[in-house]
Amino acid sequence: DVKVTQSSRYLVKRTGEKVFLECVQDMDHENMFWYRQDPGLGLRLIYFSYDVKMKEKGDIPEGYSVSREKKERFSLILESASTNQTSMYLCASSPPDNTGELFFGEGSRLTVL
Amino acid sequence: GQSLEQPSEVTAVEGAIVQINCTYQTSGFYGLSWYQQHDGGAPTFLSYNGLDGLEETGRFSSFLSRSDSYGYLLLQELQMKDSASYFCVPGTGTYKYIFGTGTRLKVLA
Repeated sequence: DVKVTQSSRYLVKRTGEKVFLECVQDMDHENMFWYRQDPGLGLRLIYFSYDVKMKEKGDIPEGYSVSREKKERFSLILESASTNQTSMYLCASSPPDNTGELFFGEGSRLTVL
Repeated sequence: GQSLEQPSEVTAVEGAIVQINCTYQTSGFYGLSWYQQHDGGAPTFLSYNGLDGLEETGRFSSFLSRSDSYGYLLLQELQMKDSASYFCVPGTGTYKYIFGTGTRLKVLA
């Protein structure tokens, strides 16, 4: 079975803290993605990566950075967490065949106080 | 630019047929995917249309018309478990998959 694993299901952090959200996939996929999902706003793309050490901004990259040092791991970093970053964060991966099939992790619900 | 439109909510009764429409404006359009997401769950892939026409997968079918920048998801023999959000996702050659706000389907008994 294909597997995308997000390291934490629930996190509570303080404003100003540095936050790391980790995502690992075991399918040898080239592409990896970070989305956030908020009520009424759907899923919004933060960053994606199509290869190791490569990254592209999505629609809402402000306040976030990413790291992809190994093919299987894609990290989302909040340099200084703010309350408006309280959200559900979803990681996904996909093969390079461009059939639009993304495999999602279970999500990480982050609360910033 | 890019735009994506789906109805925000659709309601139907068990056993009925429902169609969820999607119109898009996407540079470098490659194909259209559909996803289902139950409350509290992650999105799961349903189908992909790379060519015009209808693709059928069990009770679900998906249609694409490139000339009209339009697609739809057809759900037949609705079941309560089909109550979920549905997203159409245009694909491009850049792998930038935009999900939008989706359509919330409510199935009534």
